[in-house]
Amino acid sequence: GAGVSQSPSNKVTEKGKDVELRCDPISGHTALYWYRQSLGQGLEFLIYFQGNSAPDKSGLPSDRFSAERTGGSVSTLTIQRTQQEDSAVYLCASSLEGQAFFQYFGPGTRLLVL
Amino acid sequence: GESVGLHLPTLSVQEGDNSIINCAYSNSASDYFIWYKQESGKGPQFIIDIRSNMDKRQGQRVTVLLNKTVKHLSLQIAATQPGDSAVYFCAEYSMEYGNKLVFGAGTILRVKS
Repeated sequence: GAGVSQSPSNKVTEKGKDVELRCDPISGHTALYWYRQSLGQGLEFLIYFQGNSAPDKSGLPSDRFSAERTGGSVSTLTIQRTQQEDSAVYLCASSLEGQAFFQYFGPGTRLLVL
Repeated sequence: GESVGLHLPTLSVQEGDNSIINCAYSNSASDYFIWYKQESGKGPQFIIDIRSNMDKRQGQRVTVLLNKTVKHLSLQIAATQPGDSAVYFCAEYSMEYGNKLVFGAGTILRVKS
């Protein structure tokens, strides 16, 4: 597709369950970012992938959060043992290498933990 | 520290009027400042950016002003339309932050017809 896509668009889960969120970046974009947006809040950086370099995980809030990027393209954000405070919109963005100031965002996955 | 903040959480304007959304930033070493628009249920969409060595940049109906003396950024929207209703975020890019953006909290723009 032409833009960043994310799936699922909505996810409702029970506290304690694991969830996986998927991001397909724009073709050719080597940089991929995950953000979390709580209700009425700004975007909180989670993790950044650039090519084959080690990811910048400095924004992950706890060890329950992890992310992978396979083949330099699709990325999966995994949240283990979900908590109610994990409820948020999870946004993925991609950019060309070295152009973090020009990120294209996906529509997000709305996660609700009951 | 890393912080980009906004002065007004909600701005209501009449259709056809001009809108001004403000943002304060803290890192004088930032290289780029970017404005994003986020409509309900969608991801943020790039509007306009400005390099730190510029004071003003104009786009289609939008102008961004940068005042480095007081670390202030503003987005001006001319002849505001109902389709401009959204949340607007400013973001800051600096090599000091690595390859990521630091976002402000956002301003809700409501356009009254």
